[in-house]
Amino acid sequence: DTEVTQTPKHLVMGMTNKKSLKCEQHMGHRAMYWYKQKAKKPPELMFVYSYEKLSINESVPSRFSPECPNSSLLNLHLHALQPEDSALYLCASSQATRSSYEQYFGPGTRLTVT
Amino acid sequence: TQLLEQSPQFLSIQEGENLTVYCNSSSVFSSLQWYRQEPGEGPVLLVTVVTGGEVKKLKRLTFQFGDARKDSSLHITAAQPGDTGLYLCAGAHMKTSYDKVIFGPGTSLSVIP
Repeated sequence: DTEVTQTPKHLVMGMTNKKSLKCEQHMGHRAMYWYKQKAKKPPELMFVYSYEKLSINESVPSRFSPECPNSSLLNLHLHALQPEDSALYLCASSQATRSSYEQYFGPGTRLTVT
Repeated sequence: TQLLEQSPQFLSIQEGENLTVYCNSSSVFSSLQWYRQEPGEGPVLLVTVVTGGEVKKLKRLTFQFGDARKDSSLHITAAQPGDTGLYLCAGAHMKTSYDKVIFGPGTSLSVIP
């Protein structure tokens, strides 16, 4: 099973709302990633969790708050977002070994901030 | 700064034509991945190339890793509308961690029926 699931598929939220994106994988991967992607651009790395610990935060604004409750789950909590935060948010996972660079992506959450 | 470049950036062709997409860097890669992303979906891993000079085939897609492991190409034979999407190459340079993968800017392919 190489599936990464993400919910919801679509999300529309106002600038004062609080919402959460969810991601789940059952491949036994110990590295999980959040990416932000604008149309026809490559994914931009936001956060990396390795063995449930935050290992990389690419200077992401504090209105984005990641959480890794266990090795299979990854959440992204959203609060007080701006319209420019509208994008496709992708979750990915990979093996956490030096020679394993293959990442498996979920279908993404299309976020619109109004 | 380690960079991956892709060319062309955009490509629009007729069904049945052949095309080649390139991925280049000035540094040596440990391995390189190719992904295809359809509109509104996440990237899907197509292939990983590891050995210099390696050629891998996936139906009508042929992937090649340069001898020096600094570049790669993706050739599509007899393109079909289902090949439409964003093609991304990604990789990590020698001795870098799994969480240091970088992505190229992508090639947006449109195959017109």
